[in-house]
Amino acid sequence: QKEVEQNSGPLSVPEGAIASLNCTYSDRGSQSFFWYRQYSGKSPELIMFIYSNGDKEDGRFTAQLNKASQYVSLLIRDSQPSDSATYLCAVKGNTPLVFGKGTRLSVIA
Amino acid sequence: EAGVAQSPRYKIIEKRQSVAFWCNPISGHATLYWYQQILGQGPKLLIQFQNNGVVDDSQLPKDRFSAERLKGVDSTLKIQPAKLEDSAVYLCASSDGQAFYEQYFGPGTRLTVT
Repeated sequence: QKEVEQNSGPLSVPEGAIASLNCTYSDRGSQSFFWYRQYSGKSPELIMFIYSNGDKEDGRFTAQLNKASQYVSLLIRDSQPSDSATYLCAVKGNTPLVFGKGTRLSVIA
Repeated sequence: EAGVAQSPRYKIIEKRQSVAFWCNPISGHATLYWYQQILGQGPKLLIQFQNNGVVDDSQLPKDRFSAERLKGVDSTLKIQPAKLEDSAVYLCASSDGQAFYEQYFGPGTRLTVT
């Protein structure tokens, strides 16, 4: 069973701080890595995807991938109260896309 | 551009009853996905269609779940008979390719089995 592990949180950060969300995965054959944001009662929406080791930046978001450590993270700079949501890590290899349970982020104004 | 449409939005049934969910993808999107999201968990892919053919249904409980996508456009997911553990949100998503980063989710159908 391929697994994607995330700390369920809640992770609380003050407004303007950096939020760091982490994810580990079990399948070494995983090739594609995704971060989704899901507001309460809403559907997931894609924030970032990353395929190669290293960092990928998009606005206030940075995804980091370390395949050797089977670790992927999402950094949110200048966190805003509107970033408060559950963040889902998803991993794709030669199997169906597997989601983690998500980390609940709370940004305190 | 209209998004992915799903109906009904909410459904309450008793165990052992049957239920069906409908999804209409974004116009022109060839790939359609059905996910099950149990409260407190991430979505689990049940089935993926490419046009009207099945790409992956390895996680679909085929003894009680079925899905079809006639004419390669809208799709129906059925549960018969329902169990208490089927209580979840059923999400439909579509994309115009097979890249998961391109998929757009519908609003979901919240199913409660009592």
